[in-house]
Amino acid sequence: SQQGEEDPQALSIQEGENATMNCSYKTSINNLQWYRQNSGRGLVHLILIRSNEREKHSGRLRVTLDTSKKSSSLLITASRAADTASYFCATATKETSGSRLTFGEGTQLTVNP
Amino acid sequence: DGGITQSPKYLFRKEGQNVTLSCEQNLNHDAMYWYRQDPGQGLRLIYYSQIVNDFQKGDIAEGYSVSREKKESFPLTVTSAQKNPTAFYLCASTPPSTDTQYFGPGTRLTVL
Repeated sequence: SQQGEEDPQALSIQEGENATMNCSYKTSINNLQWYRQNSGRGLVHLILIRSNEREKHSGRLRVTLDTSKKSSSLLITASRAADTASYFCATATKETSGSRLTFGEGTQLTVNP
Repeated sequence: DGGITQSPKYLFRKEGQNVTLSCEQNLNHDAMYWYRQDPGQGLRLIYYSQIVNDFQKGDIAEGYSVSREKKESFPLTVTSAQKNPTAFYLCASTPPSTDTQYFGPGTRLTVL
């Protein structure tokens, strides 16, 4: 199975609400990243959290990392209709750091106006 | 403008034909990657290259081939040996000393 697995697969919320997506992985990592993909487009990097970090913020995004549980969460606060997209976590493992990422299956977020 | 370009945006292929997808970057990145994405799924790594004239197989390399003759270019050939090539193909590159990947807009390949 994939190194990163997102939960839930799909999430539908109202504008202004917060959206939380979770990612679990199996092996030790060097860092974990979150990407966004609008329908039919390429992925855009959102945020990177290193294995020695527990929380990171960027604008309306908050990422947490729990290496003991091998899990991460992405929180989008005060969501907007423009946040509608698929969100993927990706892990860079210690063995392959700097060379390749392993992506999860993604969470499809729909923000209703 | 700096960035990664992929062409064409849409590509149609008859069964038994080879097709080549283009990926070009002017970001001066050393590492480049090719992914395949099927509907509603994540990305699977096909091939990657960390330096000119060198590349490695990813998780689903069978039926695909690549070349890396120039730093800026990393074309992907989908051969007739690929049994189910209809998918969305994404190219990415990485700056030195970082794992963050920058993606092109993708090519949607359909086999008729």
